[in-house]
Amino acid sequence: DTEVTQTPKHLVMGMTNKKSLKCEQHMGHRAMYWYKQKAKKPPELMFVYSYEKLSINESVPSRFSPECPNSSLLNLHLHALQPEDSALYLCASSQFAEMNTEAFFGQGTRLTVV
Amino acid sequence: QKEVEQDPGPLSVPEGAIVSLNCTYSNSAFQYFMWYRQYSRKGPELLMYTYSSGNKEDGRFTAQVDKSSKYISLFIRDSQPSDSATYLCAMSKGGGADGLTFGKGTHLIIQP
Repeated sequence: DTEVTQTPKHLVMGMTNKKSLKCEQHMGHRAMYWYKQKAKKPPELMFVYSYEKLSINESVPSRFSPECPNSSLLNLHLHALQPEDSALYLCASSQFAEMNTEAFFGQGTRLTVV
Repeated sequence: QKEVEQDPGPLSVPEGAIVSLNCTYSNSAFQYFMWYRQYSRKGPELLMYTYSSGNKEDGRFTAQVDKSSKYISLFIRDSQPSDSATYLCAMSKGGGADGLTFGKGTHLIIQP
């Protein structure tokens, strides 16, 4: 099973709302990632968690707050977003954060900020 | 110069043709190479994973890596309309916490 599950699939939120995206994997992977993908662009790395600790933050604005409660779960908390934050948010996992094994992506959450 | 270059297409070929997709890169530190297929509004699906130079075959797909030329390829044999999608190359350096560096993606259209 190489499944990474993301919920919700779609989310519409106002600029003053607080919402969370969730990601789950049961492959025993120790690294999990958040990517952002705008239309017709490749995914862009946002955060890397390795063994439940934040390893990389690609200068992401503080209105995006990641959390890794355990080795199987990854959350992305959203607050005071802007319309330009509308995008497909992808979660991925790999065995290790060194990226020397395959990385598997979820189906994404399509976020619209109004 | 971007780290990874990939022609965005679109690339249109007839059903049954052999498709060749390519990426070039500039950073010789890249060691791990992946190809993903992405259908519209879906997440990327891992097709092939290779380490360093060489070939790897899986069904109708063959991945090639030439590190001396900094050039990677994906070949699709007996192409089907269901192969119509965006194909993303991705690579990583390894050796420390890292993410994937992607090409822009090539939009492939297989004509029935």
